[in-house]
Amino acid sequence: QVQLQESGPGLVKPSETLSLSCTVSGGSISSYYWSWIRQPPGKGLEWIGYIYYNGLSNYNPSLKSRVTISLDTSRNQISLRLTSVTAADTAVYYCARRSSGGTSYSHWGQGTLVTVSS
Amino acid sequence: DIRMTQSPSSLSASVGDRVTITCRTSQDIRNDLAWYQQEPGKAPKRLMYAASSLQSGVPSRFSGSGSGTEFTLTISSLQPEDFATYFCLQHNNYPHTFGQGTKLEIK
Repeated sequence: QVQLQESGPGLVKPSETLSLSCTVSGGSISSYYWSWIRQPPGKGLEWIGYIYYNGLSNYNPSLKSRVTISLDTSRNQISLRLTSVTAADTAVYYCARRSSGGTSYSHWGQGTLVTVSS
Repeated sequence: DIRMTQSPSSLSASVGDRVTITCRTSQDIRNDLAWYQQEPGKAPKRLMYAASSLQSGVPSRFSGSGSGTEFTLTISSLQPEDFATYFCLQHNNYPHTFGQGTKLEIK
């Protein structure tokens, strides 16, 4: 049973960098697309971007200048880095997996709340 | 970006009721739509994929239909464990986009 678990600081100061990890257990990160998705309190979900196991990535244009998603295959982890954060980046951050071939997200983590505040 | 219009945003219903949630997209996405159930503090759970395919392990009271720009999720007979938030996702085009969610509450 594949499980995804997000982790990282719950509080980040404005203008600093948000860094989160997603650890995958019960399966390999090979041959899948790994995405980050977020949900601000009381608002809808926003797709941040993905990385494929071969390193190919794609980001939401609204965040592209500030986002980096990377893989650490030795640790079975996917990382998210978001620079120059503001209060608008306060959200629950989810990682999610989907297979190749144009499918939807079959597995999600339970999410981690990140608050941007001084 | 493909705009998603999900309705209603909230719904009060009773155990045993039949409910329908609708998702409309701003352009044709074929059947590249999925439905999810979300409970507080838990990982979203996929209910339907490819618009009308039931995820393994999901009860058959859930069904999905539609293609192109209009999609529906139907729960044929509500059970107590079904009171949650539901959202749709289009994965036809990047960036992937989501419906705003429907909160299903007990009447």
